Amino acid sequence: QKEVEQDPGPLSVPEGAIVSLNCTYSNSAFQYFMWYRQYSRKGPELLMYTYSSGNKEDGRFTAQVDKSSKYISLFIRDSQPSDSATYLCAPYPRQYDKVIFGPGTSLSVIP
Amino acid sequence: DGGITQSPKYLFRKEGQNVTLSCEQNLNHDAMYWYRQDPGQGLRLIYYSQIVNDFQKGDIAEGYSVSREKKESFPLTVTSAQKNPTAFYLCASSFLGGSGYTFGSGTRLTVV
Repeated sequence: QKEVEQDPGPLSVPEGAIVSLNCTYSNSAFQYFMWYRQYSRKGPELLMYTYSSGNKEDGRFTAQVDKSSKYISLFIRDSQPSDSATYLCAPYPRQYDKVIFGPGTSLSVIP
Repeated sequence: DGGITQSPKYLFRKEGQNVTLSCEQNLNHDAMYWYRQDPGQGLRLIYYSQIVNDFQKGDIAEGYSVSREKKESFPLTVTSAQKNPTAFYLCASSFLGGSGYTFGSGTRLTVV
């Protein structure tokens, strides 16, 4: 079993839709969770960062962590064409910097 | 502005040649990383360094070499021993203790 798994997509939604991106992990030592967004031919950029279970909101983005199920979600409200990108989940253990990146989910928001 | 700079953006290499990819950061980050990304695949760790003059192999270090002589710089050499070097290479940096990675804009290497 891979340490971090994501549905690769591609996921295609109409503009304005609510998008749900999901990630599962196998290592219970993971304590920190990040989501990165990567536009085509660019480096990833940090989108959300959370430590605890529950929800964290930042504008149109909400990160949800369920440590008991080892399940991470990223919700995008009122999706825009500019949200079209690949989204990488990245959990890692406390006190370590070596982050494990998921394979990413490709999202396309159609105007 | 602080950031992380990779150069060149595009690089072409003949088979049998070594090439060096540059990565410089002015964020005062302690740790630096090199990743390889192939089409439709995630990021695979090549090498990482948490302090100057020290570095560790990642998951796919064979055919690559690095140095960390300065805190700001972490160049990656793709040697002729790397059998399939055509890929998108990403450099990243971070503070120790988990504050998130800052990535460069990447170098696309093509073997011709």
